[in-house]
Amino acid sequence: EVQLVQSGAEVKKPGESLKISCKGSGYSFTSYWIGWVRQMPGKGLDWMGIIYPGDSDTRYSPSFQGQVTISADKSISTAYLQWSSLKASDTAMYYCARRAVGWYFDLWGRGTLVTVSS
Amino acid sequence: QSALTQPASVSGSPGQSITISCTGTSSDIGAYNYVSWYQQHPGKAPQLMIYDVSNRPSGVSNRLSGSKSGNTASLTISGLQAEDEADYYCVSYTGSSTSCVFGGGTKLTVL
Repeated sequence: EVQLVQSGAEVKKPGESLKISCKGSGYSFTSYWIGWVRQMPGKGLDWMGIIYPGDSDTRYSPSFQGQVTISADKSISTAYLQWSSLKASDTAMYYCARRAVGWYFDLWGRGTLVTVSS
Repeated sequence: QSALTQPASVSGSPGQSITISCTGTSSDIGAYNYVSWYQQHPGKAPQLMIYDVSNRPSGVSNRLSGSKSGNTASLTISGLQAEDEADYYCVSYTGSSTSCVFGGGTKLTVL
C-alpha cells in the first residue's frame, strides 16, 4: 500500500528539541518530493517547506526558514522535521505530503500533533 | 510570498451549486497551470480534490470541477451533498525557491 506514516503525538516543554518523522512506503521514496505543512489549532494550512529525498535538496517557506530543519534519510525512506528549541506557538498538527509530478500533493500522512506547554 | 485569498466561508443547500474562489497574482496562479484544491474534514488530513487547475484524481466525484481565469482559480461543487461540508484549500506553484503558496481556506456549510 502506498502511504506516508507519521510518528506519534508529542508533548514537549518550551526550549526542548524535537524531531518528527514521515516514513514512505509502497513507492520509490527517492523519486518524489516530500513537503511539510503546519496546521495550528482551529486554523488553516501553512506551507513550511519541501525536500527531495533523492539528493536532499531542500526549500523553505520564508516564514519557516531558520525556525525548523527539514531532512531525509533515503536509506530508511523517512523524512524529518525538527526543532532545536520549541516554543508554545509551535503547538500544532504537522502533516507530511508527497508532491506528485506536476505540482500537487497526492498523498498525505495522518499528521503528528505537537503540543508545547510548560 | 502572500497567501492566496479565499473567502472565509460559503454555504449552499443540498442540490445547489457553489463556487469557491482563490485569488493570487501574476507570479503564482496567473503564471502557472499548477493550481490544486484540497478538502479537509474535521480531524482528518487534507485530501486532493483537483490538480493542475481542472483535473480530478481517480475516485473524486465529477460534481467537483476546477477552472482558472487570470490570477483567480475557482472550485465549483454542483449537486451539493451533506458530505461536501468541509474546509477547502487552494495551492499554487510559485516558480520560486519557496515552491508554493497556500490559500487561507474556505469553510463550506451545507444548509
